[in-house]
Amino acid sequence: KAGVTQTPRYLIKTRGQQVTLSCSPISGHRSVSWYQQTPGQGLQFLFEYFSETQRNKGNFPGRFSGRQFSNSRSEMNVSTLELGDSALYLCASSWQGTDGYTFGSGTRLTVV
Amino acid sequence: QQQVKQSPQSLIVQKGGISIINCAYENTAFDYFPWYQQFPGKGPALLIAIRPDVSEKKEGRFTISFNKSAKQFSLHIMDSQPGDSATYFCAASMQRGATNKLIFGTGTLLAVQP
Repeated sequence: KAGVTQTPRYLIKTRGQQVTLSCSPISGHRSVSWYQQTPGQGLQFLFEYFSETQRNKGNFPGRFSGRQFSNSRSEMNVSTLELGDSALYLCASSWQGTDGYTFGSGTRLTVV
Repeated sequence: QQQVKQSPQSLIVQKGGISIINCAYENTAFDYFPWYQQFPGKGPALLIAIRPDVSEKKEGRFTISFNKSAKQFSLHIMDSQPGDSATYFCAASMQRGATNKLIFGTGTLLAVQP
């Protein structure tokens, strides 16, 4: 079956702009989580959505937001981009969030 | 208290040897401990996971050992192969309440030499 699909794979944005990243979970999976991966901070939890509701949120500023649609696809948005937002953004899906997560290959965001 | 401490940061093992990566946690509310493997340019892939009601779990060449009293768990890779060269992350989460926020360790870069 198809894995977790993230688009785009690479993105270059200018400081101050906003960006939207997309994630299509494995068919049937209702839980979608987002993580930020950087060399300095490692893998950090951003938020989790289940059945279109945000169920958990990490310690990131309000510039980071997300949503989930009725078909479980999810988007995350980062507004007013800063240089420090440059990272690999990973989406992971799970059937209901209490079993193992499957990660996508991520979106590499570079802010210049 | 939310941290998961992972060691070593990097590891070099000869082909056929045993790779051992260790993790420690503080929060006794954690009830799910997965290990992920990540290759360059890819997302982390779930290798094996354990819950605190068992002390060991084995899947093929990969074994998790879990010490609840010491709040430590480790990954053992038997008969390590060059294809195992990757970054390994331990993680922990509290699945009660059906929220699966994973707290990751800092990662171990494993190099298996032929």
